[in-house]
Amino acid sequence: AQSVTQLGSHVSVSEGALVLLRCNYSSSVPPYLFWYVQYPNQGLQLLLKYTSAATLVKGINGFEAEFKKSETSFHLTKPSAHMSDAAEFFCAVSETPYDKVIFGPGTSLSVIP
Amino acid sequence: DAGVIQSPRHEVTEMGQEVTLRCKPISGHDYLFWYRQTMMRGLELLIYFNNNVPIDDSGMPEDRFSAKMPNASFSTLKIQPSEPRDSAVYFCASTSGAGELFFGEGSRLTVL
Repeated sequence: AQSVTQLGSHVSVSEGALVLLRCNYSSSVPPYLFWYVQYPNQGLQLLLKYTSAATLVKGINGFEAEFKKSETSFHLTKPSAHMSDAAEFFCAVSETPYDKVIFGPGTSLSVIP
Repeated sequence: DAGVIQSPRHEVTEMGQEVTLRCKPISGHDYLFWYRQTMMRGLELLIYFNNNVPIDDSGMPEDRFSAKMPNASFSTLKIQPSEPRDSAVYFCASTSGAGELFFGEGSRLTVL
């Protein structure tokens, strides 16, 4: 069965600092991996996705994630945090593009001025 | 396109009452998902449909919950009878199968 863990339910960074949100997955087949972002009182929207092409995936708003099979990880990074980045971030896994998507517990990102 | 449309946005009801949540997926999307979000349990997949047919309903909590998709442009999630522990935000999402889910803004349910 597929699953996702996210280390740290809450991460706080200073404006301009590096953002690093951790995600580890478990899947019996090569996975499809996603990062979604949720702003207050809104639905989730896709930041980026990995579908077995390049291991470094670039997404919207300057975020990127690197797929590391040996570590079963898909950590999300952004070189310089902006106040508008404050939100809830979810890592997700699917066994195919046509299958159910399982979400991790989420990490709340706060950005300190 | 207008995106995934959910109604109502907010629902407050009393224990024992029937609740019906509605979803209109993006036109052309043939997968539809229902998720429930709570602080304690995070995002849980309840059920998903492909071409209006339920594919996996293993996440449906119990018989009080039921979901239907009578056509490609409409789905309902019904709770009968409702209980306080059903209080959550219920999200509908659709996709064409390319791996990106498009979420609605959610229906916030409060059961007193």
